[in-house]
Amino acid sequence: ETVLTQSPGTLSLSPGERATLSCRASQSVSSNYLAWYQQKPGQAPRLLIYGASSRATGIPDRFSGSGSGTDFTLTISRLEPEDFALYYCQQYGHSPLMYTFGPGTKLEI
Amino acid sequence: EVHLVESGGGLLQPGGSLKLFCAASGFTFNTHAMHWVRQVPGKGLEWVSSIGGGSDDAHYAESVRGRFTIFRDDSKNTVSLQMSSLRAEDTAVYYCAKDRESGNSIWDAFDIWGQGTMVTISS
Repeated sequence: ETVLTQSPGTLSLSPGERATLSCRASQSVSSNYLAWYQQKPGQAPRLLIYGASSRATGIPDRFSGSGSGTDFTLTISRLEPEDFALYYCQQYGHSPLMYTFGPGTKLEI
Repeated sequence: EVHLVESGGGLLQPGGSLKLFCAASGFTFNTHAMHWVRQVPGKGLEWVSSIGGGSDDAHYAESVRGRFTIFRDDSKNTVSLQMSSLRAEDTAVYYCAKDRESGNSIWDAFDIWGQGTMVTISS
């Protein structure tokens, strides 16, 4: 089973700053099946990035994903007030099918 | 507009059974895999189960295998999760989610989520 580790656990920044969130996998993630989600209090998660670097529909271009193998990054270029939330990475393996989420990074003001 | 609505949550005693439902609208339901994810309030996300698009190809997390069963009814655009032998550690908000991709045995990220339904297992 692939274990995901996210760092930092909490990231304190201000609006307008750049945020860099890390997700590390215990083994290589095949075909870059790595996604990022945003979750705000009382809401369901929202897909931001899939395939490690593709933005989901309607996601602003200040969100970008990069990485391959075992090391992945979510970057928010200029933080907006609405970006302060929890962020989870997720990997999906197909043999057998299994989805794993990281523990999350809290992005706070 | 794509929409998922879960229902069926509640308070049960350990050892009980419960069936969750997810009603889908706004997309070609039978071509997409569907998923269940749960979250203990204040904690992280845990994948529970998935069922393939247009198929009965079902997969489960180790923590629920043998106790939970996922079904889909493409005639009613619904996916359900039959849960049995429930334990206190099954207490969580259960989310239904749609797979981003379409196709038989195609699995990808979860692009649409429902609002969740709370399941509480307590004596």
